[in-house]
Amino acid sequence: EPEVTQTPSHQVTQMGQEVILRCVPISNHLYFYWYRQILGQKVEFLVSFYNNEISEKSEIFDDQFSVERPDGSNFTLKIRSTKLEDSAMYFCASSGLADNEQFFGPGTRLTVL
Amino acid sequence: SQQGEEDPQALSIQEGENATMNCSYKTSINNLQWYRQNSGRGLVHLILIRSNEREKHSGRLRVTLDTSKKSSSLLITASRAADTASYFCATVDYKLSFGAGTTVTVRA
Repeated sequence: EPEVTQTPSHQVTQMGQEVILRCVPISNHLYFYWYRQILGQKVEFLVSFYNNEISEKSEIFDDQFSVERPDGSNFTLKIRSTKLEDSAMYFCASSGLADNEQFFGPGTRLTVL
Repeated sequence: SQQGEEDPQALSIQEGENATMNCSYKTSINNLQWYRQNSGRGLVHLILIRSNEREKHSGRLRVTLDTSKKSSSLLITASRAADTASYFCATVDYKLSFGAGTTVTVRA
């Protein structure tokens, strides 16, 4: 069964460093998403991406964040200058249609020291 | 905000019992989805119910939707220890808006 994969599973970084979180969505999906979950809190929407551009983003997704689909398979989230409060699980998701079920990856745990 | 809010926050039941959790939301929806999350892991889609549907079944799961009350319920029948997880409803407006979830513990 096809699945969304994410790498790395755990990333530790120093405050102020740039990180890139990688995702490989399900191959025939067209809609891609990033969510995050701070420990003990709700899963929060960050950004959605369709047709090679951002379709929606939340208040969290400020100019420190960017997304890219550099090739036909990868979907990346970049945080330019990490802050302590960026520590969270980051989940990538994809769906075939805009309003259909979303398939989530296993997440990347980002720890900012 | 469109996000769903689950109730109760936590539920502890004996294996074999049924577990029921509720979700309320604030605005009109196209569909509502339920997800499960095992501790520290990714979210797994369980079931999607569209706004013109009132009830949907999938295996031991039964979901109802009452758009007049802006509420949904998830029933897990004949629970198993493996059902121990957090359960979230999510309203859909292209993005998913999650509530805080119901943590279900099934005791063997």
